[in-house]
Amino acid sequence: GENVEQHPSTLSVQEGDSAVIKCTYSDSASNYFPWYKQELGKRPQLIIDIRSNVGEKKDQRIAVTLNKTAKHFSLHITETQPEDSAVYFCAASRAAGNKLTFGGGTRVLVKP
Amino acid sequence: DTAVSQTPKYLVTQMGNDKSIKCEQNLGHDTMYWYKQDSKKFLKIMFSYNNKELIINETVPNRFSPKSPDKAHLNLHINSLELGDSAVYFCASSPLTVNQPQHFGDGTRLSIL
Repeated sequence: GENVEQHPSTLSVQEGDSAVIKCTYSDSASNYFPWYKQELGKRPQLIIDIRSNVGEKKDQRIAVTLNKTAKHFSLHITETQPEDSAVYFCAASRAAGNKLTFGGGTRVLVKP
Repeated sequence: DTAVSQTPKYLVTQMGNDKSIKCEQNLGHDTMYWYKQDSKKFLKIMFSYNNKELIINETVPNRFSPKSPDKAHLNLHINSLELGDSAVYFCASSPLTVNQPQHFGDGTRLSIL
């Protein structure tokens, strides 16, 4: 089955700096890669997703890149703000069954 | 106007008891899921249903029995609760079309004494 590894597990950045989280996946048939943000005590919320026919996608301060050959994808947050502090999860799925396999999460702390 | 709602939000109970968690979505989605998030925040799928039909069952102990009376509801019943069942359980839903975002409920924090 699919295995998703996520690094780093914790990330501390100064406000205004960039944050990068990296994920690798094992199943070459995976073709959908969402990213979720989970604030303390809250539900995971989708922040951006990318499909395998696209190499990069951007939404304001958030961008995701995908390298299908290397089977890795990354989340980039620019100009970080204190409200970006949360746990971020990457995930991967293949079309059959819409089964999402999550990475282990990255706890991001943005210091003012 | 909550899209995916779960009840209860908190559940504290004794080992060996039986409990249920309810989930409802008003997004018109055809697919619903149950996830377990353990104390280390690891999120793992347990079940998914398409239009009341079980699609994914991730080798979850048969003490866990999901039930979908209609496509807007997916309940989770747990028999003979064990200490290791303590976790946050999230319900989610998505359209039937493949590779669509999944929308999560607020979670049910289950604590076993």
